[in-house]
This record gives sequence, structure tokens and C-alpha cells, in this order.
Amino acid sequence: AQSVTQLGSHVSVSEGALVLLRCNYSSSVPPYLFWYVQYPNQGLQLLLKYTSAATLVKGINGFEAEFKKSETSFHLTKPSAHMSDAAEYFCAVSFGNAGNMLTFGGGTRLMVKP
Amino acid sequence: NAGVTQTPKFQVLKTGQSMTLQCAQDMNHEYMSWYRQDPGMGLRLIHYSVGAGITDQGEVPNGYNVSRSTTEDFPLRLLSAAPSQTSVYFCASSSRGAEAFFGQGTRLTVV
Repeated sequence: AQSVTQLGSHVSVSEGALVLLRCNYSSSVPPYLFWYVQYPNQGLQLLLKYTSAATLVKGINGFEAEFKKSETSFHLTKPSAHMSDAAEYFCAVSFGNAGNMLTFGGGTRLMVKP
Repeated sequence: NAGVTQTPKFQVLKTGQSMTLQCAQDMNHEYMSWYRQDPGMGLRLIHYSVGAGITDQGEVPNGYNVSRSTTEDFPLRLLSAAPSQTSVYFCASSSRGAEAFFGQGTRLTVV
């Protein structure tokens, strides 16, 4: 069964610092990979997705992620954190099967200090 | 521009009561699904549907029923609520090969 691991349930950075949120998946077949963001009391919003095109994927709000097959990783980065980036971030994987079912990691709460 | 609409937003139930969480989408997506979100566990799939009249179980289906009589609607029924079903519930829809769109969630408390 596929699984997703997000290292660090809480990450704290200073405003202007690099943001790095880690995601590893278990699979021998390249999956579809997603990062979603959840602001307090809201639903999930897609940040970016990898679907076997370019390995470096750019998303909204200055975020990007790099698919590394050899490391089975899909880490999310942003060069300079902003206060508005404080939220919970979820990595998810799908194999494009019927229903596009998603398996989620446990989430990482990003805190941004002024 | 509604997208995925869930009702109610908040609900408190007593143990043993039943209720239905509503989900509707206006994007003509064939796939719909229900997830529950619990702290530290991300979102876990309860049930999903690949089209009207077709449903299947996900990772945590026990205690829940679904039906899909139309493309637009995918209600989730709690048969006999238990405190373990206290959670935030999200409905999502998507097209084949595309990303999922999520509703705003229903926060359910079972006392």
C-alpha cells in the first residue's frame, strides 16, 4: 500500500527565511504528487502538483517542489517566508487510478516568526 | 462559482443519533469522495464514487454509508454516531487525472 511521510509535524521559520517542508512517499511506480495548504477553519487548496512532466514544479504563492525519484521525495520549498504562509501543509499521492484517490501525509504546521 | 459545497458547517450529535452530511459540486466531476481529518493523521478516505450509482469503500468506512444518485450530490450518512466519529469531514471532487477540489468542511462533535 502506498504511504506518505511528512517529516516534522511543526516547522518554525523567521519571516524572510527559507521554507523547507519534507515529504517522502513509498512506491515503486511514479505517482502523481500534490501539495495542499489549509488555512485555519478552511478547506484544502492546491499549491502544486507533479504529474510526470518537469521534475521541478512551480506552484502558487512562490512555492515550488522537486520530484526526486531516486529519493522518493517531493519536498516543498519557498525562498523567503511571509507571515501569510503560516498554515498547515499536506503532501498527498495518487496513482491516477479510478477515482483519483489520495493518500495524505500527516501534515506539517508552518509557523512564521516576525 | 460555488465549486464543492458542504452542509452543515458545524454539528453536535448525541451518541447513537444518525445524520447526513451533504455534499454538492457544480463542476460536472465524475469522481467524488469523503475524507475525515484528525490531528496528526492527515486526511483519511472514508468512501468514494467514480460516477452516479457507483460507490466503494476507502480506508475507514465503518459506521458510514454513502450513495450517489446524481453526478452532483454525494451525501455521507452516519448510522449511529459514536464519539470516535468526532472529526472534521471533507468532501472532494475531481475529474480523471486532475487534482481534487475540496469543500470547506463539516466539524462534527459527538457527545
